[in-house]
Amino acid sequence: GAGVSQSPRYKVAKRGQDVALRCDPISGHVSLFWYQQALGQGPEFLTYFQNEAQLDKSGLPSDRFFAERPEGSVSTLKIQRTQQEDSAVYLCASSLGWVTKNIQYFGAGTRLSVL
Amino acid sequence: EDQVTQSPEALRLQEGESSSLNCSYTVSGLRGLFWYRQDPGKGPEFLFTLYSAGEEKEKERLKATLTKKESFLHITAPKPEDSATYLCAVQATVGESGGSNYKLTFGKGTLLTVNP
Repeated sequence: GAGVSQSPRYKVAKRGQDVALRCDPISGHVSLFWYQQALGQGPEFLTYFQNEAQLDKSGLPSDRFFAERPEGSVSTLKIQRTQQEDSAVYLCASSLGWVTKNIQYFGAGTRLSVL
Repeated sequence: EDQVTQSPEALRLQEGESSSLNCSYTVSGLRGLFWYRQDPGKGPEFLFTLYSAGEEKEKERLKATLTKKESFLHITAPKPEDSATYLCAVQATVGESGGSNYKLTFGKGTLLTVNP
């Protein structure tokens, strides 16, 4: 497909479980972003990759959140010991460049529910 | 800290009734202002990018404008299929730590409902 692909679309976890969310960016896109969107709110920034380098992780809410993009393409957002407050939609976005050609294209998101 | 405030939070229009959505922002230096449309259960869909005050862009029934403090999304003769949440976001040139910034800071969105 031509767009950003995220899997799974829905994830239900029991409190304390670890989860892994996957993002396949648009082919050739250098930049990759993760955002968290709570119900009724706008997306909030979590972390940013330029190729395989994680340049900004200032939005990660705690050390339970970890993201990687080892080969500069697919990225995984991992949440350890999930808590109820982690319930949200997790959005991935990619862009061709970073200063110019910086339009971010979003995937459909993964809806995480922690019980 | 970069801030984006959108108003109104919700807007109901009759089909054909034109209106505007507002996005007020404060940012240290603006690299770009972005408008997205989000349908329920989907990710944000890119609409426009504006880079400097005075710039305008149009697409079908939508027109986005930009000043140094705010942006407007004008909707002319809306149709029911225009119903969605419209999100505004800014990309600052400099991050909070003083280095280069690439993230988007979003407002909470305006939920637009267009009745037939």
